[in-house]
Amino acid sequence: AQSVAQPEDQVNVAEGNPLTVKCTYSVSGNPYLFWYVQYPNRGLQFLLKYITGDNLVKGSYGFEAEFNKSQTSFHLKKPSALVSDSALYFCAVVTQTGANNLFFGTGTRLTVIP
Amino acid sequence: EPEVTQTPSHQVTQMGQEVILRCVPISNHLYFYWYRQILGQKVEFLVSFYNNEISEKSEIFDDQFSVERPDGSNFTLKIRSTKLEDSAMYFCASSAQGQSSGNTIYFGEGSWLTVV
Repeated sequence: AQSVAQPEDQVNVAEGNPLTVKCTYSVSGNPYLFWYVQYPNRGLQFLLKYITGDNLVKGSYGFEAEFNKSQTSFHLKKPSALVSDSALYFCAVVTQTGANNLFFGTGTRLTVIP
Repeated sequence: EPEVTQTPSHQVTQMGQEVILRCVPISNHLYFYWYRQILGQKVEFLVSFYNNEISEKSEIFDDQFSVERPDGSNFTLKIRSTKLEDSAMYFCASSAQGQSSGNTIYFGEGSWLTVV
C-alpha cells in the first residue's frame, strides 16, 4: 500500500526567508513523486515531479524539491518566499507498478508573512 | 497553454437529484480522471478512464457514479441520487499517458457540488 505524509498542517514563513514544506512517502516500489499547489478557490496546479535521475528537481515559480530515497522524503523548498506563494501545497505519489493514479497527502497550508 | 476546463464551476442540487459534471480534457491527452476533495480534506481518486472504458476506480466510485466520454472532447461524471456527503469539489484531470509512466496529471479548476 502507498501513503504520503505531510507532517505539518501549517507552515508560516517571513517573506524573503527560505521555505520548506515536508513530505515523506511509503510505497512498495519505486515512486514517482509530485508537488501540486492550490490557490484559494482554484484547481490544483502542477509544480514539479521526480521520476528518475538527479535527486534535485526544479519546478515552476522558483520551487525545487529533493528526493531522498534513504529518508523516503521529497521536501519542497524555495530559497526566498514571496507573499504570493501563500497557498495549499499537496505532495502526491504514484508507483511504477502500483495503481494508475495519484495518491495525495493531506496538504500543508503555507502562509508567507509580509 | 492547454488546460482542462470544467463546467459548472458551482452547482447546488437537492438531495436525491442527479447531477452531471462536465470536463474538456487537454486535447491530445489519452487518460482522463476524476478526483474529489471534501472541504478541508485531502484530494481523493475516484476513477480513471482510457480507451473509452474505466481503467481503475476507487472504493468511493460505487454504482452511484458513472463516467462517459460522449464525444471526442467531453468527459462527464454523473452522480445519481445525490447525498449530503457527496458535497465536495470535483476535479477533472487528464494526462498524455498513464501514471505508471510518471506522466503529469493536469487538473481543471474544479466543480463545487453542494447537496442540500
